[in-house]
Amino acid sequence: DQQVKQNSPSLSVQEGRISILNCDYTNSMFDYFLWYKKYPAEGPTFLISISSIKDKNEDGRFTVFLNKSAKHLSLHIVPSQPGDSAVYFCAASVYGGGADGLTFGKGTHLIIQP
Amino acid sequence: DTGVSQNPRHKITKRGQNVTFRCDPISEHNRLYWYRQTLGQGPEFLTYFQNEAQLEKSRLLSDRFSAERPKGSFSTLEIQRTEQGDSAMYLCASSLEQGRANVLTFGAGSRLTVL
Repeated sequence: DQQVKQNSPSLSVQEGRISILNCDYTNSMFDYFLWYKKYPAEGPTFLISISSIKDKNEDGRFTVFLNKSAKHLSLHIVPSQPGDSAVYFCAASVYGGGADGLTFGKGTHLIIQP
Repeated sequence: DTGVSQNPRHKITKRGQNVTFRCDPISEHNRLYWYRQTLGQGPEFLTYFQNEAQLEKSRLLSDRFSAERPKGSFSTLEIQRTEQGDSAMYLCASSLEQGRANVLTFGAGSRLTVL
């Protein structure tokens, strides 16, 4: 039972255009959401997060949108740059629920074309 | 502080052997996590420590797996009688409890190959 779903295994975007990565979740108890970026042979690195009390959080070129009613979040990267090519993981957590650890999706491999 | 450090980075072993991985978290972080990642999957939670106490273990963590964090600093993950299905990347992460936000900082991982 996958509680966090990233249905696009890969996404190809032209440099300078907008990249939109999508994530759906099923557990209504999730109240904190994060995006991680992973390069080959490295661990995931934190990119941006959003609390369930917000619907948008922005940090430079990265914006995360949360639609709680649809149990959907998305990561927008604009403009996309070659260094953004990586695997992006969506993750969610339940505050105070057990380990407070993160539940990850399977990831989306973003490829930025020059 | 150089972040979360994991050793060894890669371990190749024969089926049936025991292996141990070490994780040195960010020094001021009180929480430490172990995750496992296999090809095409996201990281899967294995276990969690708050200081030296192991507070939760996933059902993925069979009896052959044991984790310790003896003084609330570094942690070890031991796998006994390894099986080919144990081949994976083992990721350690740490965090500092800060209210609702639980941002984990990951190490580069220890890749296990069981022949």
